Parts: sequence; C-alpha cells; structure tokens
Amino acid sequence: GAVVSQHPSRVICKSGTSVKIECRSLDFQATTMFWYRQFPKQSLMLMATSNEGSKATYEQGVEKDKFLINHASLTLSTLTVTSAHPEDSSFYICGGVFGNTGELFFGEGSRLTVL
Amino acid sequence: LAKTTQPISMDSYEGQEVNITCSHNNIATNDYITWYQQFPSQGPRFIIQGYKTKVTNEVASLFIPADRKSSTLSLPRVSLSDTAVYYCLVGDRYNQGGKLIFGQGTELSVKP
Repeated sequence: GAVVSQHPSRVICKSGTSVKIECRSLDFQATTMFWYRQFPKQSLMLMATSNEGSKATYEQGVEKDKFLINHASLTLSTLTVTSAHPEDSSFYICGGVFGNTGELFFGEGSRLTVL
Repeated sequence: LAKTTQPISMDSYEGQEVNITCSHNNIATNDYITWYQQFPSQGPRFIIQGYKTKVTNEVASLFIPADRKSSTLSLPRVSLSDTAVYYCLVGDRYNQGGKLIFGQGTELSVKP
C-alpha cells in the first residue's frame, strides 16, 4: 500500500507554544487528507478534512483558529496546534486519500504532550 | 453517515478463526464497508474493503449479506500479533466527498 509519513512522531512542548505536525504522502498524491485526534482508550475522532488548495472543513466542535490546517500541495498537509494547552495532549493521526482509487492510507501518528 | 455498531471486545486463542460482526442498518447505496486494524500508538492499517457479497485477500475475508445491513470480518487462524483494535467503517468513496467516521471498534485479545 501507499505510504503516509507523519513528523514528528512525538513532541513535548510547554503550554502556550505552537506545534506543527506534518503529514506527507510519500509515493502518491493525496487529493484529500483527514486529520484525527485520539485520546487514550478511545476511538479516532475526525477533526477536519482538507483538500489541496482549499480551506479545510472542520467538524463541529473543533476550533479552526486553534487547529490550523494547511494543504498546500498534493503531498503535504500540516496541522498546527496554536497556543497549546495540556488538554490538547493527544495522539494526532492523518490519512491521505489516493485519488485514483479513493483508498485511504494513514500515517503513523504523532503524540503531543503539552506540559 | 451510516452508524456502525460492533462488540466492544472479543477474546480468542491462537490458531482459531475469529469473526467480528458489524451492524450498519442505515447504510446508503453508495457506501462501501472498510475494516481497519490499529495497534497502540500507531495509525490504523487497512485490512479489507467491500461493497457486497464476499471479498477475500491474503489476510482476511469480508462477508456482506444481500441487504448490506451488516458485515463480518473473518480472520483465519489468528496469532498473538493479531491482538489489536478493529474498526468497521461505512462511507462513500473518499475521493468523492465521503469522509471516514470511526466507531468504537472491537478490541481483540488473542491468548496463547
């Protein structure tokens, strides 16, 4: 299957700082990327859907000014957690859609810990 | 979006066949059924996808009855490494505006 890479895999930051997570489709062009958040022992929660070159569509209850998503190219989407607080500590996962078949491939996830 | 219902947990022993059933009573005509596997602190991994009847690949089989209101993931001869959470998802093809909503998943525990 196709490969989606996330970076960093782990990040620890101080409260109030901003953190950027990158999601790259390594061997295919992802027309659409999904961003999820997962708390311990819980399922994945969809945060937003981004299409290359357009604004992301956020799910209800997700603050678009706090979770900035940029999908500038068909191989890169970024999630920036602005002014992070301890309650933002979570496992963030991206998924890229392979345009031709519509298959969805996930990254390895990024664990954010806000102190 | 079609909601899915799965058992929260299942136990099995090595070498057994495991069948996980998912209910999706309000599945739409355009919806596909996809199963993912997730290990702790990793992203979900695609297992299998189908629309109707039966689909089989090198790791699993997916059985879908004619009314498509449920589906069953079948894992032949499980091993300890199959211990994971399995998610059943229903939705339109993701390159046609569909989006992927995860349900609670089934935590499979394989014992020696």
